[in-house]
Amino acid sequence: EIVLTQSPVTLSLSPGERATLSCRASQSIRSYLAWYQQKPGQPPRLLIYDASNRATGIPARFSGSGSGTDFTLTISSLEPEDFAVYYCQQRQNWPLTFGGGTKVEI
Amino acid sequence: QVQLQESGPGLVKPSETLSLTCTVSGGSISGYYWSWIRQPAGKGLEWIGRIYTIGDTKYNPSLKSRVVMSVDTSKSQFSLKLNSVTAADTSVYYCARAPPGVACTSTSCIGYFDSWGQGALVTVSS
Repeated sequence: EIVLTQSPVTLSLSPGERATLSCRASQSIRSYLAWYQQKPGQPPRLLIYDASNRATGIPARFSGSGSGTDFTLTISSLEPEDFAVYYCQQRQNWPLTFGGGTKVEI
Repeated sequence: QVQLQESGPGLVKPSETLSLTCTVSGGSISGYYWSWIRQPAGKGLEWIGRIYTIGDTKYNPSLKSRVVMSVDTSKSQFSLKLNSVTAADTSVYYCARAPPGVACTSTSCIGYFDSWGQGALVTVSS
């Protein structure tokens, strides 16, 4: 099973600041990684797929990068609605796995 | 726009079977991979398994011995059965859709979860 380790667990920032979230895979997953955003009481929402492609309707302030084992989600300038939990997920191998999440808080 | 809705009992007794159904509306059930994912309160996401519309299934090995998924394309529904439940199975259960990926990996062509249900809380308790 591919283990995804996200860091930091919590990121405390202010609106307008830049957020950098990390996801590290236990083995190479090429570019087969997605990022999701989850707000309380809601299901996750797909932000980025295949490491660097924004999903439909996702603002340009969200960007993803990386390949192999190290991946980054960057939010260039935090909006109030961006404070949430972010998960990475790989589709390289079965079982599909998620990272433990990073909470971006004010 | 496709919508997914989970339904089923919110309370299941220990050792019994958890049964949930996901109804798909506003889009076709054919040509997609359909998954169940769960999330214990305050914790992360765990993928349970997926079914393709022809009935092909893939389960998480951690749950494989207890899980059965099925699909009814005539009703645009797919279902989850998890047997021999314990308190550790108490979670919010989501159904989700994944289209085929832009490219296939060495093991699969499943893409990512682009549509989700709102989630169903299932509590295992006597």
